[in-house]
Amino acid sequence: NAGVTQTPKFRILKIGQSMTLQCTQDMNHNYMYWYRQDPGMGLKLIYYSVGAGITDKGEVPNGYNVSRSTTEDFPLRLELAAPSQTSVYFCASSPLRGRGYNEQFFGPGTRLTVL
Amino acid sequence: DAKTTQPPSMDCAEGRAANLPCNHSTISGNEYVYWYRQIHSQGPQYIIHGLKNNETNEMASLIITEDRKSSTLILPHATLRDTAVYYCIVRPPNNNAGNMLTFGGGTRLMVKP
Repeated sequence: NAGVTQTPKFRILKIGQSMTLQCTQDMNHNYMYWYRQDPGMGLKLIYYSVGAGITDKGEVPNGYNVSRSTTEDFPLRLELAAPSQTSVYFCASSPLRGRGYNEQFFGPGTRLTVL
Repeated sequence: DAKTTQPPSMDCAEGRAANLPCNHSTISGNEYVYWYRQIHSQGPQYIIHGLKNNETNEMASLIITEDRKSSTLILPHATLRDTAVYYCIVRPPNNNAGNMLTFGGGTRLMVKP
């Protein structure tokens, strides 16, 4: 299994541009999450999904949108990028039950800079 | 979810045990203690979790006090690769929010040769 994969690894955006951060997991996990991590800080939850077609806001959802049309994919959309969205973005997934259901499995992250 | 308090940083000599403390004095009866770590520039990695009893796996041991108000993560023989930020998180097993995790500042463990 590849686990959780994220693309791109790095991206520089200009203020006002839009982009989609991609996240895919091949473990058939029901739960998926998007976090952001600012320098020297812990992770903050942006959005999460408990299954295909179901999404909900986390702690810091403003400026972002998500969709979950399949179990595998959970893209994060930034509209009108702002410097405050400069951060490292992590996607994670976890199973509903069974082995590992207490764990979240994280991707390698996307480093985004907005200038 | 209950809040946790961890020291911001700790040092440990290579080969010695690293003992990372965590206070969670407002923990509820059904809340578990989870530990994750984040090696520089990587995504967090699950280490261990427990409810009341002490737990051990191939990575670490988790000691929870009898009153459950604090816990200690033990890395028995720290190596340079254990240098990371360690997060202690308290959460019920199913929190009706997709089992989300709330990360605090963590403890930055530096293992020195």
